[in-house]
Amino acid sequence: GAGVSQSPSNKVTEKGKDVELRCDPISGHTALYWYRQSLGQGLEFLIYFQGNSAPDKSGLPSDRFSAERTGGSVSTLTIQRTQQEDSAVYLCASRAQGSYEQYFGPGTRLTVT
Amino acid sequence: AQSVAQPEDQVNVAEGNPLTVKCTYSVSGNPYLFWYVQYPNRGLQFLLKYITGDNLVKGSYGFEAEFNKSQTSFHLKKPSALVSDSALYFCAVRPFNSGNTPLVFGKGTRLSVIA
Repeated sequence: GAGVSQSPSNKVTEKGKDVELRCDPISGHTALYWYRQSLGQGLEFLIYFQGNSAPDKSGLPSDRFSAERTGGSVSTLTIQRTQQEDSAVYLCASRAQGSYEQYFGPGTRLTVT
Repeated sequence: AQSVAQPEDQVNVAEGNPLTVKCTYSVSGNPYLFWYVQYPNRGLQFLLKYITGDNLVKGSYGFEAEFNKSQTSFHLKKPSALVSDSALYFCAVRPFNSGNTPLVFGKGTRLSVIA
């Protein structure tokens, strides 16, 4: 079956611009997570959604970052007024209700120039 | 707060030799433990997990990991390494019965298998 998909795969943007990153989770998965992977670092949790509950935004590094999940499926991560330190690979993962493991998409590589 | 340590940034092993990638964790209560692998320009792929039961868990591609509660470790092992195993490996933890909380990952260990 189809896995988690993310778009775009690569995004180059100028400092100060806004960007939107998209995640399509595995169909039927109720939980959706966003992580950030910076060069030489592990994965940093950003935000997660579970069903219709309010999202856990505790990992968002600043108020320039926001995310939404429409209809319990597709999610969009928005970064406003991008900074060079935002350059990273942004990974999305989804998880089925009652299961333990998360399944990751291929990521979006964001480069802020 | 939970944390994961992968003490080795890089592990080199000759093809055919056994490999071990180390992971230790800190968590309140019992842990859920995971290993993921990341190939170049790819997302993370799930390898195996420990939830409960036998301390030795077997996963994909011939990998296994041993949960050691007293040493708070969950080292990844494979009896005979392949060149194709060369990748970045991440250990992750989540507290038992913590609902939907996200995984906490280590910084990763780059495995290089030399022919």
